[in-house]
Amino acid sequence: GENVEQHPSTLSVQEGDSAVIKCTYSDSASNYFPWYKQELGKRPQLIIDIRSNVGEKKDQRIAVTLNKTAKHFSLHITETQPEDSAVYFCAATRFSGIGAGSYQLTFGKGTKLSVIP
Amino acid sequence: SQTIHQWPATLVQPVGSPLSLECTVEGTSNPNLYWYRQAAGRGLQLLFYSVGIGQISSEVPQNLSASRPQDRQFILSSKKLLLSDSGFYLCAWSVDGTVGEKLFFGSGTQLSVL
Repeated sequence: GENVEQHPSTLSVQEGDSAVIKCTYSDSASNYFPWYKQELGKRPQLIIDIRSNVGEKKDQRIAVTLNKTAKHFSLHITETQPEDSAVYFCAATRFSGIGAGSYQLTFGKGTKLSVIP
Repeated sequence: SQTIHQWPATLVQPVGSPLSLECTVEGTSNPNLYWYRQAAGRGLQLLFYSVGIGQISSEVPQNLSASRPQDRQFILSSKKLLLSDSGFYLCAWSVDGTVGEKLFFGSGTQLSVL
């Protein structure tokens, strides 16, 4: 099965600096890579995702990059703000198409990001 | 719009007691349903998933079981809780077949087994 490794486990940055979280995956057939953000005491929520047919995707201050050859993908947060402080989870799965049934996301262990004002 | 309800929010149970956590989804039909457990340093661990009524798949051997008696209802149970069952349990749903199949999580149940 799929195995997802996430680094670092904790990350502290000064407000305004950039933060990068990296994940590697083992199954070369994985084709969907979401990132979830979990603020303290709250539920995880999807913040950005990328499919294997693109190398990069941006949404305002957040971007995700994917290197299929190396089997790794990264989350980039620029101009960090205190409200970015949370635990971030990467995940990977092989999406097999409409009507093909359910799938299973394999999550990384999470990165606790602290943005220092 | 779709919503997911999970209860209770917190639960303290003695070792050996039974468990029943309930999750319901509104505003969608035939969702995929999931139970995750979140433990410190271990991320989100998938326990069970279901693609339809009465269809349950288990990802890890454990002291827990799941049932889906109705299309939008998912129940996590145990006959006798162990100390190791303590943790934060999250129910989630997704729409089968959609591109990406985004997961939508419930608010979670903090279970403490004493």
